[in-house]
Amino acid sequence: GQQVMQIPQYQHVQEGEDFTTYCNSSTTLSNIQWYKQRPGGHPVFLIQLVKSGEVKKQKRLTFQFGEAKKNSSLHITATQTTDVGTYFCAGLRVTFGTGTRLTIIP
Amino acid sequence: DTGVSQNPRHKITKRGQNVTFRCDPISEHNRLYWYRQTLGQGPEFLTYFQNEAQLEKSRLLSDRFSAERPKGSFSTLEIQRTEQGDSAMYLCASSSAGEAGAWNEQFFGPGTRLTVL
Repeated sequence: GQQVMQIPQYQHVQEGEDFTTYCNSSTTLSNIQWYKQRPGGHPVFLIQLVKSGEVKKQKRLTFQFGEAKKNSSLHITATQTTDVGTYFCAGLRVTFGTGTRLTIIP
Repeated sequence: DTGVSQNPRHKITKRGQNVTFRCDPISEHNRLYWYRQTLGQGPEFLTYFQNEAQLEKSRLLSDRFSAERPKGSFSTLEIQRTEQGDSAMYLCASSSAGEAGAWNEQFFGPGTRLTVL
């Protein structure tokens, strides 16, 4: 079955540093979604990418979908304490990735 | 509040007991999903409904688990003969159906935390 892996599993950064998480699928995806889950909270939808090579930005967040539609990345510029949480990608057929937990060192 | 709601928020039960959870989706959403999440892991898909039809069940879902959505609105998830390994957060989400089989964004509820003693 489809597997979606994310790296790294954990990331600790100083406030103000950049952060990137990578999502890799074993199969080609028709689309990919990104969610954020704050500690103690539930996943909240961030964005959906559909087209090969698509790049979307939300303020300090940049999302990219690979040309082969088998990988994706989320990049956060100049992290803030409000960025703390676990970031999940989700591929077709409701398969969530393993997540990257981001902690910020003030 | 027009978001996804789940009840109860917490459930403590003894091994072997049956439990039932309820999920009320966003009213105009015709898709409803159930997930299980354990600490440090991503949501694990259990099953989903489109209207009242249960369209997919995870192969990981044992026969002790059953879900219903009788009128295409709220849904219930029942676990029979609970085991300690069932302890987890059970998340419900809803979405509208996408065009041509596309999958729209899911709105998650706060979850029901199950502890099996």
